[in-house]
Amino acid sequence: AQKITQTQPGMFVQEKEAVTLDCTYDTSDQSYGLFWYKQPSSGEMIFLIYQGSYDEQNATEGRYSLNFQKARKSANLVISASQLGDSAMYFCAMRTGGSYIPTFGRGTSLIVHP
Amino acid sequence: DAGVTQSPTHLIKTRGQQVTLRCSPKSGHDTVSWYQQALGQGPQFIFQYYEEEERQRGNFPDRFSGHQFPNYSSELNVNALLLGDSALYLCASSPGGGRGSEAFFGQGTRLTVV
Repeated sequence: AQKITQTQPGMFVQEKEAVTLDCTYDTSDQSYGLFWYKQPSSGEMIFLIYQGSYDEQNATEGRYSLNFQKARKSANLVISASQLGDSAMYFCAMRTGGSYIPTFGRGTSLIVHP
Repeated sequence: DAGVTQSPTHLIKTRGQQVTLRCSPKSGHDTVSWYQQALGQGPQFIFQYYEEEERQRGNFPDRFSGHQFPNYSSELNVNALLLGDSALYLCASSPGGGRGSEAFFGQGTRLTVV
């Protein structure tokens, strides 16, 4: 069975600072993909970044980077230079090789202070 | 280019009634997945449609059913509504049979059962 754990129910960060959102996962599959989504209060899930289990480089997309530590089974999201518009729920998700469907964690609420 | 669109955005139904939610996928996407997101939780997978067939199903009762049309749009039907069915229902679309890393979500339908 696959499992995603997000241990931080809420995080606070000052505008322009960096923040790390934690995600650990558990799977026995060798082939899997890890996703991060942002969900503002409007409800829409916005895709941020993807990391494949065989990717040697950490994924980066603009201000988002994924700190992938395979041996520790962690896939933390790093947001650099936080902006007020980054305030939202953030979800980590994993899809294993044999499935089309990602499993989501419970999410972390991020609040960016001016 | 319109993204994933869902209708209606909000809905109030009475316990025991039936409801139909609709989803139009992003242009070029052929795979549609439905999720239920209860308050304070991550999305839970309901089922996925590809080539007008239900390809994979999560742990939801038969009261939840769906359909995909030739134009790839999809419906989610829920019969005999329970109070516990109150949630945000999200539709996600993917291209290429859903095997890649790309998935786009709609803004969701917020269903309240009273």
